[in-house]
Amino acid sequence: NAGVMQNPRHLVRRRGQEARLRCSPMKGHSHVYWYRQLPEEGLKFMVYLQKENIIDESGMPKERFSAEFPKEGPSILRIQQVVRGDSAAYFCASSPTSGSRNTDTQYFGPGTRLTVL
Amino acid sequence: GQQLNQSPQSMFIQEGEDVSMNCTSSSIFNTWLWYKQDPGEGPVLLIALYKAGELTSNGRLTAQFGITRKDSFLNISASIPSDVGIYFCAGQLGGTASKLTFGTGTRLQVTL
Repeated sequence: NAGVMQNPRHLVRRRGQEARLRCSPMKGHSHVYWYRQLPEEGLKFMVYLQKENIIDESGMPKERFSAEFPKEGPSILRIQQVVRGDSAAYFCASSPTSGSRNTDTQYFGPGTRLTVL
Repeated sequence: GQQLNQSPQSMFIQEGEDVSMNCTSSSIFNTWLWYKQDPGEGPVLLIALYKAGELTSNGRLTAQFGITRKDSFLNISASIPSDVGIYFCAGQLGGTASKLTFGTGTRLQVTL
């Protein structure tokens, strides 16, 4: 069973460009979470999605950031007009469901390292 | 947002020694998890704890869910060089509040 897939692993953008990060959850998982990690820090929650729905976006910056998880295809985290402060590692996690023991345990992908020049 | 406090921040130990680290929160959680992160990789789940007071083992790793639901500890016995990495605790409420709140991390370095 393949794990959580993220691509690209590394992404370089110039200030003002758009960054698109993709996440394919584990097979059988319908819940996706995005986290951001700055160097030497822990992961910070950004957004939680189920298929076609945003469940919790309390950690998402109000501007320039958006996320989707369409019925078909991977989840996308989109950052418009990137700035240097967006440079970080972005991790996606997936879980099979929520609300019950063992089943909303999150498994992480390898991350996308975004560098903004 | 909230971040859990982990201690120690870093530790150097010799191969074969036992390691203990803990994590505290100002609010309660229904699930505690421990992850290990290697450089350039994503966190890998080590142990999940679902009930206050629960003590769970996974090989040389043992973790406990604090009775107050505001803390957890992780022990590693007989450390080996591949234990090197950063260990993160994470708390979770569950349901629609399934987001993980991570600790500040404990960096472990093992010397021969």
